[in-house]
Amino acid sequence: KAGVTQTPRYLIKTRGQQVTLSCSPISGHRSVSWYQQTPGQGLQFLFEYFSETQRNKGNFPGRFSGRQFSNSRSEMNVSTLELGDSALYLCASSLVTGGALDTQYFGPGTRLTVL
Amino acid sequence: GQQLNQSPQSMFIQEGEDVSMNCTSSSIFNTWLWYKQDPGEGPVLLIALYKAGELTSNGRLTAQFGITRKDSFLNISASIPSDVGIYFCAGQLRAGGTSYGKLTFGQGTILTVHP
Repeated sequence: KAGVTQTPRYLIKTRGQQVTLSCSPISGHRSVSWYQQTPGQGLQFLFEYFSETQRNKGNFPGRFSGRQFSNSRSEMNVSTLELGDSALYLCASSLVTGGALDTQYFGPGTRLTVL
Repeated sequence: GQQLNQSPQSMFIQEGEDVSMNCTSSSIFNTWLWYKQDPGEGPVLLIALYKAGELTSNGRLTAQFGITRKDSFLNISASIPSDVGIYFCAGQLRAGGTSYGKLTFGQGTILTVHP
């Protein structure tokens, strides 16, 4: 079974631009969570989607948004990029059965650099 | 926000030595997870723990879910060079609402193994 895939793997943008990152979950997984990883703050939860609905959101400004499609694929968007948005953006998928199979599996991440 | 305290921050060991790291939290978690991350990649799940007191092994790795549900430890026995990487603990509540899809991560333990 293929793992979580994220595209693109690397992105370079300039301040003020916007960016869209894509995540395809493991086949059959219905929940997608997004995280931001930086050297200073570590891994921070952005938001989670299930059945095309955002169920949970972390403490990030409104410039960070996302969506999920009917096939469970998810995108996240960052508008008006700032230098501090440079980070590794990770998505993780899980089955969401309510039981032991809710464990999150991560993709390789998208490395975003803002100049 | 909620924090997990992971220690030690880094370890330098000789090949063949055993390694121990732990995480503590001020809050109770219902799930504890241990991940390993290589440079430029996403975290890879090592061990998942779902019940207080649970002790689980995966090859040379052993992890335990603390009885108080506020801590967990990971042991690596007979370390080898490929164990090099960053190890993260993560906790998750299962109550729904603000817990949906959200993992809270420790700061990570950087492991270096000298051949």
